Amino acid sequence: DTEVTQTPKHLVMGMTNKKSLKCEQHMGHRAMYWYKQKAKKPPELMFVYSYEKLSINESVPSRFSPECPNSSLLNLHLHALQPEDSALYLCASGGGPSPLYEQYFGPGTRLTVT
Amino acid sequence: AQKVTQAQTEISVVEKEDVTLDCVYETRDTTYYLFWYKQPPSGELVFLIRRNSFDEQNEISGRYSWNFQKSTSSFNFTITASQVVDSAVYFCALSEAHPSSNYQLIWGAGTKLIIKP
Repeated sequence: DTEVTQTPKHLVMGMTNKKSLKCEQHMGHRAMYWYKQKAKKPPELMFVYSYEKLSINESVPSRFSPECPNSSLLNLHLHALQPEDSALYLCASGGGPSPLYEQYFGPGTRLTVT
Repeated sequence: AQKVTQAQTEISVVEKEDVTLDCVYETRDTTYYLFWYKQPPSGELVFLIRRNSFDEQNEISGRYSWNFQKSTSSFNFTITASQVVDSAVYFCALSEAHPSSNYQLIWGAGTKLIIKP
């Protein structure tokens, strides 16, 4: 059983909708990550939170807005997305934002923008 | 610049065969970390191993083994007596250990492994 959970598993939204992806980790980790993965490609890093502060923002469009309410929770708010934003969105957590710690991934949310 | 190359896009073998997935990396740093992750069709990335640049010992975990060779900048992954459940996409990744790298994972393109019954 994964200790990083993500909801929902699947999401279909229109370009004018507002929705949120949720992630929760139960391992006491201090770093949490959002990745975007297109089919047949490796994951692309979007955001990193370290000790509940945004530490990396990989020039992601403002229609993606991350939020870290506490050390266990990570949200990704979506607004006015484009069809090319359709992808698998993966959340991960790690002991810290360094390679000393491996990242543990959730099952992902498959997002389709229509 | 750092880079990870997984030249094998797709490998197909029959169950019980041994299979090796290649990973070649480039970095100018002397301190770095290498990772392997498995992504089954369900989509979740599963951590398999982390190796730091100062530890060239080979690792074995059950049917899985890893061969790290700094001389050839390779970190290859072998599955012995493959099983259908090993079918997945396998990613090799590199992370440099200095803050200016943001400690980001540099991912290879992945190798899709198909194990036929």
